[in-house]
Amino acid sequence: SYVLTQPPSVSVAPGQTARITCGGNNIGSKSVHWYQQKPGQAPVLVVYDDSDRPSGIPERFSGSNSGNTATLTISRVEAGDEADYYCQVWDSSSDPPLFGGGTKLTVL
Amino acid sequence: QVQLQESGPGLVKPSQTLSLTCTVSGGSISSGDYYWSWIRQPPGKGLEWIGYIYYSGSTYYNPSLKSRVTISVDTSKNQFSLKLSSVTAADTAVYYCARVIVGATYWFDPWGQGTLVTVSS
Repeated sequence: SYVLTQPPSVSVAPGQTARITCGGNNIGSKSVHWYQQKPGQAPVLVVYDDSDRPSGIPERFSGSNSGNTATLTISRVEAGDEADYYCQVWDSSSDPPLFGGGTKLTVL
Repeated sequence: QVQLQESGPGLVKPSQTLSLTCTVSGGSISSGDYYWSWIRQPPGKGLEWIGYIYYSGSTYYNPSLKSRVTISVDTSKNQFSLKLSSVTAADTAVYYCARVIVGATYWFDPWGQGTLVTVSS
């Protein structure tokens, strides 16, 4: 079965760029969506279809997807970006959606 | 702006049935543009998809939970519901309802705030 692999943790200093990866076999052929989950809160969609941002999500959040790796990039990281981030794929309504295991972003 | 709100008991005894309802406001559940889904998250762990329902009543469940899950819809109340039978401690989790955006692919937006369900005697 298809598996999405994320690093358990990523650390970055304020103002720097954070890159959170989501690995999967030929994931570049799929559309990847990303969610931010702050402690005690529900997940929030931050990127859909690899690189599109919902309204209200800062331009600092961007995504890319190629080969075996999809990447969520957060530029000019702020303390408020500290959260768990999950990738997700779902190509067909007759298949179950998949989530990555999540990455905890720590702002140093 | 669509909002979702979960409701139901926060404590369920082992072997009993967990029942939750999601109330949708700010939009109609009968819109054919979306599915409506349940997702859960055990404490300190990742997200697990449970299943979805279309306003017509058609459903699709996670194969690993399929034998115990029933999702239903009440369009007159703009609600959909989850029943999970024969629960054990492993079913303790925060349960979220979410709208599924249906396009070339599918994603979840928005989510309800979530409700913690503890399975314990």
